[in-house]
Amino acid sequence: GAVVSQHPSWVICKSGTSVKIECRSLDFQATTMFWYRQFPKQSLMLMATSNEGSKATYEQGVEKDKFLINHASLTLSTLTVTSAHPEDSSFYICSAREPGQETQYFGPGTRLLVL
Amino acid sequence: QKEVEQNSGPLSVPEGAIASLNCTYSDRVSQSFFWYRQYSGKSPELIMSIYSNGDKEDGRFTAQLNKASQYVSLLIRDSQPSDSATYLCAVNPTAGNQFYFGTGTSLTVIP
Repeated sequence: GAVVSQHPSWVICKSGTSVKIECRSLDFQATTMFWYRQFPKQSLMLMATSNEGSKATYEQGVEKDKFLINHASLTLSTLTVTSAHPEDSSFYICSAREPGQETQYFGPGTRLLVL
Repeated sequence: QKEVEQNSGPLSVPEGAIASLNCTYSDRVSQSFFWYRQYSGKSPELIMSIYSNGDKEDGRFTAQLNKASQYVSLLIRDSQPSDSATYLCAVNPTAGNQFYFGTGTSLTVIP
């Protein structure tokens, strides 16, 4: 199956700093990537849909100015959590979809802890 | 009404038994259905996809789809302790759009 990587896998930062998370499709080109957030014991929550070469589509309640998404190439999407606060601490997971396919393949996730 | 509903469990089965996981969805025109497994602390991994009514088998896993009843299930035969995880049902109502995920069913296989 298709392989998706994320970097970093873990990040700890101070409140007020910005954190960038990368999502890469390793063996296919992904015109669409998705960013999810998952709090402990809860289900996946879609944050935004990232489309290569265009602006991301954010879900209701997700602040686009706080969670900046850039999908500059067919293999890379980045999520930047700006001015992170402790309530942003969560498990952030990206997924990617091959062109013409519907299956989403997930990256391993990034755990963010904001102190 | 939620788009995708699953029994959150926990579901416990003895080793070697059949585990049955169920999912219902609200959008009648949905075309694509997926089962993901998520181990604690890990991201989801794809188990199976199913698009047509009926059964689809892959090893110990069988997905069953009934579009008339808006119901999709996953059967795990000869359950193993390593199958203990949360199983997520995902529905794609329209090709090219986002998935709707259920809240997941927690499965424990007891040795």
